[in-house]
Amino acid sequence: DQQVKQNSPSLSVQEGRISILNCDYTNSMFDYFLWYKKYPAEGPTFLISISSIKDKNEDGRFTVFLNKSAKHLSLHIVPSQPGDSAVYFCAASAGILNYGGSQGNLIFGKGTKLSVKP
Amino acid sequence: EAQVTQNPRYLITVTGKKLTVTCSQNMNHEYMSWYRQDPGLGLRQIYYSMNVEVTDKGDVPEGYKVSRKEKRNFPLILESPSPNQTSLYFCASSLRRGRTEAFFGQGTRLTVV
Repeated sequence: DQQVKQNSPSLSVQEGRISILNCDYTNSMFDYFLWYKKYPAEGPTFLISISSIKDKNEDGRFTVFLNKSAKHLSLHIVPSQPGDSAVYFCAASAGILNYGGSQGNLIFGKGTKLSVKP
Repeated sequence: EAQVTQNPRYLITVTGKKLTVTCSQNMNHEYMSWYRQDPGLGLRQIYYSMNVEVTDKGDVPEGYKVSRKEKRNFPLILESPSPNQTSLYFCASSLRRGRTEAFFGQGTRLTVV
């Protein structure tokens, strides 16, 4: 069963507008969440993260929001730029002391392809 | 420059011919892992290593082997590749397991015919 879900395979946004990418998770033991960006022919690169003790983390144009009760997080990009066009992966991990085995590792969603049109 | 280096970037091989994809990191990270990316399936972990000589299976380990003899290197071995292992492979490293960002290599596009 998929523990990290990105239900929108793609998203198209006009340059200058807000992009909102969504991610849902099912494992209540997850306590650290990350977003990665991936361009074609390159490896994923870290974008922003958030710990479960927070509900918001901001870095420049990128803000991640965490709603623990809904097991939902979102990435907001404001304003969106054509260079933001990429596949965005949501990832989650559980604290090792709380959850052993392979679940201590990063679990990735399937990704959302964002297209920002000029 | 901090980086994770994978080789080769592209590889076409035949079924059953053993191959190794190398991975090296220069950040003195303890934790390393291998992922495969397939259309509609996202990134799935194959194997991971928490330190030298400590490796364990991820979510899709069948048909793969790994070794961690040195901290910086974590090769992925396909003893007898099959067409269902045609995929895009990524090596990643991080300071520790979970709760931290992982640094990814550029990827290896493998085709098994």
